[in-house]
Amino acid sequence: AQKITQTQPGMFVQEKEAVTLDCTYDTSDQSYGLFWYKQPSSGEMIFLIYQGSYDEQNATEGRYSLNFQKARKSANLVISASQLGDSAMYFCAMRNNFGNEKLTFGTGTRLTIIP
Amino acid sequence: DSGVTQTPKHLITATGQRVTLRCSPRSGDLSVYWYQQSLDQGLQFLIQYYNGEERAKGNILERFSAQQFPDLHSELNLSSLELGDSALYFCASSSASAKLEEQYFGPGTRLTVT
Repeated sequence: AQKITQTQPGMFVQEKEAVTLDCTYDTSDQSYGLFWYKQPSSGEMIFLIYQGSYDEQNATEGRYSLNFQKARKSANLVISASQLGDSAMYFCAMRNNFGNEKLTFGTGTRLTIIP
Repeated sequence: DSGVTQTPKHLITATGQRVTLRCSPRSGDLSVYWYQQSLDQGLQFLIQYYNGEERAKGNILERFSAQQFPDLHSELNLSSLELGDSALYFCASSSASAKLEEQYFGPGTRLTVT
């Protein structure tokens, strides 16, 4: 079974600062993918970034980067130069890369950017 | 816009009633996934359909059922509704040939059971 743990229920960060959202995972699969989604107050789920378990380089997408430490089973999201629009819930998720393609989500972190 | 559509956006109904949530996947996507987001359970996978066939089942209650039609749209049927079924229901879709990261979410249907 897969499990995602997000230990930060809420975070407050000053605008323009960088922020790291923690995510640890547990799986017995060898090939898997790790995802981060953003959920603003409007409710939609917005895909941010993906990291494959065999990817050697950390994934980056604009201001988002994923700090992947496979041995520690962690996949932290780093947002650089935070903006007011970054205020939202952030979910870490994973799925195995074979067979069942469902996503398993963590409990989320509510990020609030302070002007 | 992800290309996945869900109707209705909001639904308010009473306990004991039955409702149907509808999802249209992105053009060409064969897989449809249903997820439930509630305060108690968080975000959890309910069921997946692939090209009309059930492919995987998660924590879906027996009172809930789903199907995927030949035009690939999917419906999630919730019956004998209870207060605890109040949640945001998401549909997501993906293509069999897509990169692994591509699972697109619809805007969700917010169900309130009173």
